[in-house]
Amino acid sequence: NAGVTQTPKFQVLKTGQSMTLQCAQDMNHNSMYWYRQDPGMGLRLIYYSASEGTTDKGEVPNGYNVSRLNKREFSLRLESAAPSQTSVYFCASSPGERGNQPQHFGDGTRLSIL
Amino acid sequence: TQLLEQSPQFLSIQEGENLTVYCNSSSVFSSLQWYRQEPGEGPVLLVTVVTGGEVKKLKRLTFQFGDARKDSSLHITAAQPGDTGLYLCAGALTGGGNKLTFGTGTQLKVEL
Repeated sequence: NAGVTQTPKFQVLKTGQSMTLQCAQDMNHNSMYWYRQDPGMGLRLIYYSASEGTTDKGEVPNGYNVSRLNKREFSLRLESAAPSQTSVYFCASSPGERGNQPQHFGDGTRLSIL
Repeated sequence: TQLLEQSPQFLSIQEGENLTVYCNSSSVFSSLQWYRQEPGEGPVLLVTVVTGGEVKKLKRLTFQFGDARKDSSLHITAAQPGDTGLYLCAGALTGGGNKLTFGTGTQLKVEL
């Protein structure tokens, strides 16, 4: 049972470099999410995709772009990395439209920007 | 401004003690979830509460949703080292679709 798979698990970048974080789910879920987790701030929503073909901004979208490649895959791109984007990034998925449905998380990507 | 505030932020207790974690907001939520996260892993859902005043029990864990659906609490009875982890509440705002707003988190350490 893979659930939500994120790659890579760790990454170090230099300021100004770009990279894409990959996320795939095998639960046939409609909705997918990208969060960042910083100490003392819980999880903050960056972007989400309520269904295949749609994406919307979350609480902290600046500096990021996303692509919902298909129902399974949702990628997060940093075009020009900044030290403030050093964080742990989590991808999650949920079955559908209602807010009381559980979200299933990957194990995170630990990203450091030097 | 954090929509959901959790307290305390850190809690270190001895095995066998009881504890309560609070999750507070000025906003009304249609439902509220509690997650536990262990180091190096993503959060895992513990429970969802949807009705004001609702109480749910999961073994030694008791979850309560406030009558006005603005707050929630998690009470652990006779804590064990296996309860150690980061506890996160997350609320779904009415009309917010399937987005969740996460709380600031409570880091619990239970020592022998």
